[in-house]
Amino acid sequence: DAGVTQSPTHLIKTRGQQVTLRCSPKSGHDTVSWYQQALGQGPQFIFQYYEEEERQRGNFPDRFSGHQFPNYSSELNVNALLLGDSALYLCASSLGRVNTEAFFGQGTRLTVV
Amino acid sequence: AQSVTQLGSHVSVSEGALVLLRCNYSSSVPPYLFWYVQYPNQGLQLLLKYTTGATLVKGINGFEAEFKKSETSFHLTKPSAHMSDAAEYFCALYSGYSTLTFGKGTMLLVSP
Repeated sequence: DAGVTQSPTHLIKTRGQQVTLRCSPKSGHDTVSWYQQALGQGPQFIFQYYEEEERQRGNFPDRFSGHQFPNYSSELNVNALLLGDSALYLCASSLGRVNTEAFFGQGTRLTVV
Repeated sequence: AQSVTQLGSHVSVSEGALVLLRCNYSSSVPPYLFWYVQYPNQGLQLLLKYTTGATLVKGINGFEAEFKKSETSFHLTKPSAHMSDAAEYFCALYSGYSTLTFGKGTMLLVSP
């Protein structure tokens, strides 16, 4: 079992650009949540996907959007990048929407210049 | 609103000394609590979790935590620190629907 995998591991983008980050959940897991971890901070919940729909959303602007595919993998898209979007983006997967156990990927380090 | 507060952004101990990382929470419902560890340039690894039952929870790598409802605390301890324990530690509160609210983290520094 490969666990939760994220790609790419590192990314550098220019302010104003758009970026797509990808996540493959742990085998059998159908729920994917995304978190943003700014430098020196704890992870903050962005949103969650289940059955290909956004089910929960944290306090993030509409520039942050996502998608879940039939195989449960997910993408996080960020439009009109700001310098403040520089962070480690973590994907977590779980089995079902109501599950206390989440497994995290290694993250994608996004740097906006 | 649910929240997690970790006291001390940095904690320094000597190898072999007791490790104590503090976490307090605020929750309107019975809490489920977690400790995660993050090594440099890595994701989050679950150390231990409290859901219901025994209030003293044992985790991996010799860590344990005690849930104290009266103090709204869930402090993480380890009797004897190893150099390999140097990392950032996050306390988290289950916020429903498989989501977590995290504290800001505590960096553990271990000196020889």
